Amino acid sequence: DAMVIQNPRYQVTQFGKPVTLSCSQTLNHNVMYWYQQKSSQAPKLLFHYYDKDFNNEADTPDNFQSRRPNTSFCFLDIRSPGLGDAAMYLCATSGRKSNQPQHFGDGTRLSIL
Amino acid sequence: KQEVTQIPAALSVPEGENLVLNCSFTDSAIYNLQWFRQDPGKGLTSLLLIQSSQREQTSGRLNASLDKSSGRSTLYIAASQPGDSATYLCAVKGSAGGTSYGKLTFGQGTILTVHP
Repeated sequence: DAMVIQNPRYQVTQFGKPVTLSCSQTLNHNVMYWYQQKSSQAPKLLFHYYDKDFNNEADTPDNFQSRRPNTSFCFLDIRSPGLGDAAMYLCATSGRKSNQPQHFGDGTRLSIL
Repeated sequence: KQEVTQIPAALSVPEGENLVLNCSFTDSAIYNLQWFRQDPGKGLTSLLLIQSSQREQTSGRLNASLDKSSGRSTLYIAASQPGDSATYLCAVKGSAGGTSYGKLTFGQGTILTVHP
């Protein structure tokens, strides 16, 4: 089945040590999103790519960066993770048309020691 | 700015009961509304998508309705089962002319527990 795949499922890093989360998709979708979801909260959009165009949310910390080397892959880089960055990180994709649904991966649970 | 509210925050029912989850949103300029299911520690599974021009969508025991003008949606689950226990999230995608164009805005979710 066509899917959105996130690796790893669980990631542990040390305070201040850079970490990269990975997302790949076989749906050939133009748009890829990264969300942060803290415990018992709604997912919060960090940024998205429309093809190669990067769109950052106004309140996304500078500590969070993203790369999309090709249609299939998108990475979330956290340059200096703090304790407050511990969360579930969700990747999603959607097609070009504005009314199309978003498809989510299983997420990466990030823990900070 | 779009705001999405889900009521109740938590719901506990015995197996076999029919139930309704509620979602309301403040800006009616939307492309569509999606209902998701989230199991503990997992990602989001899309259950139903209702386009802004539609009134309802059905999938198996699930039926979702949309009243865009009043900013409301309901998710009806028939004959609930223990396997339905999860968090249910609704999300609206903002359309042009609205306050959240192109963005998916989520509610906080309803935690559903179905007892055997």
